[in-house]
Amino acid sequence: SQKIEQNSEALNIQEGKTATLTCNYTNYSPAYLQWYRQDPGRGPVFLLLIRENEKEKRKERLKVTFDTTLKQSLFHITASQPADSATYLCALASGSNYQLIWGAGTKLIIKP
Amino acid sequence: DAGITQSPRYKITETGRQVTLMCHQTWSHSYMFWYRQDLGHGLRLIYYSAAADITDKGEVPDGYVVSRSKTENFPLTLESATRSQTSVYFCASGEEPRTQYFGPGTRLLVL
Repeated sequence: SQKIEQNSEALNIQEGKTATLTCNYTNYSPAYLQWYRQDPGRGPVFLLLIRENEKEKRKERLKVTFDTTLKQSLFHITASQPADSATYLCALASGSNYQLIWGAGTKLIIKP
Repeated sequence: DAGITQSPRYKITETGRQVTLMCHQTWSHSYMFWYRQDLGHGLRLIYYSAAADITDKGEVPDGYVVSRSKTENFPLTLESATRSQTSVYFCASGEEPRTQYFGPGTRLLVL
């Protein structure tokens, strides 16, 4: 069955360092992958989308890579700040399927 | 700019009761979605809609009913609530399926 995995343990990072989160998937060939941010008590907020033919995508301090051979996406936040503390979710979809498959998310804690 | 709203934000009900969760979006997005989020699980799709009067099942539709008579509204009804339906429910919308904008969620507790 299709499976998407994110590190269930919280990731603690010192302010100013780069935070790297991992999203691994199996038995799936996604056309694109997305990353969302979720704060406690709120809905997920879309951050970035990367297509299968793209290796890397950037948006301000955020960078996403997508390796379809390794079946893995990495999400980087450079110069991290305490305000970046949140849970980050990845989601996959095929090109014709309305349904996104979601990871359970990784909690990121940026310590001042 | 309300965007997408959900009501109620919190709901406590008893097993066997019918409950309706409301979702309203002001963007006129074609697509709308209902998810549930449980601890340790990713978001799971319950139902989605590609347009008014068009709905389809997601991954976990059993025990739920939806309707979409107007583009902006997408209510979710639990016909006979069970304890296993205790969860946080999120509604989302988007002009295309890829990019979804989420509401604030409804926390439902079934006793």
